[in-house]
Amino acid sequence: GNSVTQMEGPVTLSEEAFLTINCTYTATGYPSLFWYVQYPGEGLQLLLKATKADDKGSNKGFEATYRKETTSFHLEKGSVQVSDSAVYFCALKDYGGSQGNLIFGKGTKLSVKP
Amino acid sequence: GAGVSQTPSNKVTEKGKYVELRCDPISGHTALYWYRQSLGQGPEFLIYFQGTGAADDSGLPNDRFFAVRPEGSVSTLKIQRTERGDSAVYLCASSRGLAGPADTQYFGPGTRLTVL
Repeated sequence: GNSVTQMEGPVTLSEEAFLTINCTYTATGYPSLFWYVQYPGEGLQLLLKATKADDKGSNKGFEATYRKETTSFHLEKGSVQVSDSAVYFCALKDYGGSQGNLIFGKGTKLSVKP
Repeated sequence: GAGVSQTPSNKVTEKGKYVELRCDPISGHTALYWYRQSLGQGPEFLIYFQGTGAADDSGLPNDRFFAVRPEGSVSTLKIQRTERGDSAVYLCASSRGLAGPADTQYFGPGTRLTVL
């Protein structure tokens, strides 16, 4: 079946450090891949997405590249800020099967210290 | 414009009671989704509506859970004979219902359900 595995947190970084959060997936079809972010006290927000192999999604300085050969979609940011502190979820949507639901990883909590 | 709204934001109930959770999707969105998020976990799919009908209810854990969307807009998730294991944050999302990867789901703030 379809699944998403992401690195466990929490991750604690100093401001301006480089961020990588690993995400790998298993899918039977041709999934689209997503990163959602949940800031403290707020709902899930779409951060970025990629819909086919080799696509790069980017937003707010974050990037992730859809790597079919390694079934990965790692999230990166060159210089994190305190305001990036949140929980990050990797997710997939498999258009080969059900048209509806997202499948999420367990989430990675990021804390950025000044 | 207004986003997805959910009421109540918090619900505390006793084991065995019946609860209803409401979701108001973004206006014009034909697709609506319910997810459940337990502590320390990612959201897990429950049910998906396209218009008034449930297109996929494969994520409902058992027959105590039921959801409706009678007019294709507001949806209600109903849980009968609640159990302590039902305690979680229940998330609602909506989307335009487009076919393929262009369709983006927008999430509400969730309802935190606590079963004592």
